[in-house]
Amino acid sequence: DGGITQSPKYLFRKEGQNVTLSCEQNLNHDAMYWYRQDPGQGLRLIYYSQIVNDFQKGDIAEGYSVSREKKESFPLTVTSAQKNPTAFYLCASLPTAGVGETQYFGPGTRLLVL
Amino acid sequence: DAKTTQPPSMDCAEGRAANLPCNHSTISGNEYVYWYRQIHSQGPQYIIHGLKNNETNEMASLIITEDRKSSTLILPHATLRDTAVYYCNRAGGTSYGKLTFGQGTILTVHP
Repeated sequence: DGGITQSPKYLFRKEGQNVTLSCEQNLNHDAMYWYRQDPGQGLRLIYYSQIVNDFQKGDIAEGYSVSREKKESFPLTVTSAQKNPTAFYLCASLPTAGVGETQYFGPGTRLLVL
Repeated sequence: DAKTTQPPSMDCAEGRAANLPCNHSTISGNEYVYWYRQIHSQGPQYIIHGLKNNETNEMASLIITEDRKSSTLILPHATLRDTAVYYCNRAGGTSYGKLTFGQGTILTVHP
């Protein structure tokens, strides 16, 4: 079964703690994305990567970091610098950086601050 | 600078057609129009996309105006399970890497 997996489904963070959200895809897609969604709001782009070992900031990158060491993996770290991390986090991938392709989304991780 | 503009909410009666508009007046010639929907607490689901011709698939139809400045997603026979947030997106050419979403339209289908 091809697709995108995100883990865990729910994640709890203590104040001042870094946490890492996992995103894995077995679709052989080149590009991967992280979005944040707050209650009743749309999706906001955090980071994206179009190729291994390269990534770019989205619209709300402050307080987050990513890595892209493997094509199939794009983990997101929520650092202690992110003061309001409680949100729903979605990972997505795209076959190639070309026109006419569609994004595929994972099931999401809900992050809660204790 | 919003890339797409959608009404915040719409209602539709079950069994009737739902017509969801999207304005993308600054769209460039090589950008596609994409539609996704998101049911509560799930990842967005792809519906349909198009460049300039009207498109139809098993889920919906997409009507793009001749000047490509706006489009309409049509769900021909809406069901209660079509209640969701619908996002209109545009991507292609140099903007393809950074895919962003607007606020979307909350469609409520009622009996």
